Amino acid sequence: NAGVMQNPRHLVRRRGQEARLRCSPMKGHSHVYWYRQLPEEGLKFMVYLQKENIIDESGMPKERFSAEFPKEGPSILRIQQVVRGDSAAYFCASSPRQGDSSPLHFGNGTRLTVT
Amino acid sequence: AQRVTQPEKLLSVFKGAPVELKCNYSYSGSPELFWYVQYSRQRLQLLLRHISRESIKGFTADLNKGETSFHLKKPFAQEEDSAMYYCALRVAGANNLFFGTGTRLTVIP
Repeated sequence: NAGVMQNPRHLVRRRGQEARLRCSPMKGHSHVYWYRQLPEEGLKFMVYLQKENIIDESGMPKERFSAEFPKEGPSILRIQQVVRGDSAAYFCASSPRQGDSSPLHFGNGTRLTVT
Repeated sequence: AQRVTQPEKLLSVFKGAPVELKCNYSYSGSPELFWYVQYSRQRLQLLLRHISRESIKGFTADLNKGETSFHLKKPFAQEEDSAMYYCALRVAGANNLFFGTGTRLTVIP
């Protein structure tokens, strides 16, 4: 089992461009979570998705950010019109089920740099 | 609102010395507490959780509801314990975790 796969590992975008971050959960996992880690801060929850559904997006900024987890393919975190403040490490995690005590399994993260 | 506090950003101890990484939380219900560790150039991984009451790599952590703490302890630190440690909380009925800001532990040979 390859674990949670995130790509790219590093992404550089100019201000105003779009950033697309991809996450493939562990095999058999249908729940995906996105976290953001700003410099000198802990991981902050952004969004929780199941296949084709957003369950909790309480941590997502109201504008420019969106997430999806289609029936086929990876989960995508999309940031439109990026600004310098979006520079951070974005981590994806997955779990097999809802409502149990399964720990989250994390990917290696994508480090976004906005120039 | 729930919150996890790790007061120490950096902690250095000598090899063989005891180590304690502090974690305090605020949550009105019954929390589930975790410690995650990130070794150099590796992904974040679960170290232990309070419901398992287990010892992993010599580390233990006891949930103290009176003090709302979940400190991570090891009696004799090893060089390979050098890593970033994150305390995390999951609230009842939820799946996502709330993380502290992390403590970077350095074990000096």
